[in-house]
Amino acid sequence: QVQLVESGGGVVQPGRSLRLSCAASAFTFSNYGMHWVRQAPGKGLEWVAVISYDGSNKFYGDSVKGRFTISRDNSKNTLYLQMNSLRAEDTAMYYCAKDSGRYSGAIDYWGQGTLVTVSS
Amino acid sequence: DIQMTQSPSSLSASVGDRVTITCRASQGISNDLAWIQQKPGKAPKSLIYAASSLQSGVPSKFSGSGSGTDFTLTISSLQPEDFATYYCQQYNSYPLTFGGGTKVEMK
Repeated sequence: QVQLVESGGGVVQPGRSLRLSCAASAFTFSNYGMHWVRQAPGKGLEWVAVISYDGSNKFYGDSVKGRFTISRDNSKNTLYLQMNSLRAEDTAMYYCAKDSGRYSGAIDYWGQGTLVTVSS
Repeated sequence: DIQMTQSPSSLSASVGDRVTITCRASQGISNDLAWIQQKPGKAPKSLIYAASSLQSGVPSKFSGSGSGTDFTLTISSLQPEDFATYYCQQYNSYPLTFGGGTKVEMK
């Protein structure tokens, strides 16, 4: 079945950078849009970014625009999130999620998440 | 941005109860509405898309309805494994937005 495995989380100081990865398997990765969604401790879900199936379209949430960059490597079945200028409020579990289409916004599968903690 | 408002924010129910959660969008979103379940310490799981269509493998005790601005999620007979937090999410336009969540607790 569809598998999404995130990695790259950890503890990072404010202002520093971190890159998350999401390895996808058991579906044709290059046919589907992909999302990052985060959840701060004890809080609800917050959408972060989407990338279309071919990487030609990208959208971001207002809170990360200009600081985070979503990308993908279809030859490696891998999704990325480059996070720069990190802030304490970026502390969250980051989930990789598969779109049901090219980037419709309807999510059908979720990864298990990787935890990012921004702290000095 | 489209705001999604869920009610109630929490509810207490017993095994076998029928439970209904509502979600309201700040503007019309047609039927571009999903429902997501999250159990404590676990990843989210998608239950429903297009307001009323079940994701593969989701039991028929879950049902969704609505269109435009008002939507509902109903669990026909609550089971122990259904105690969780439920979120609605609109995908009519970017940025995607989620409701604040409804925590279903055991009475």
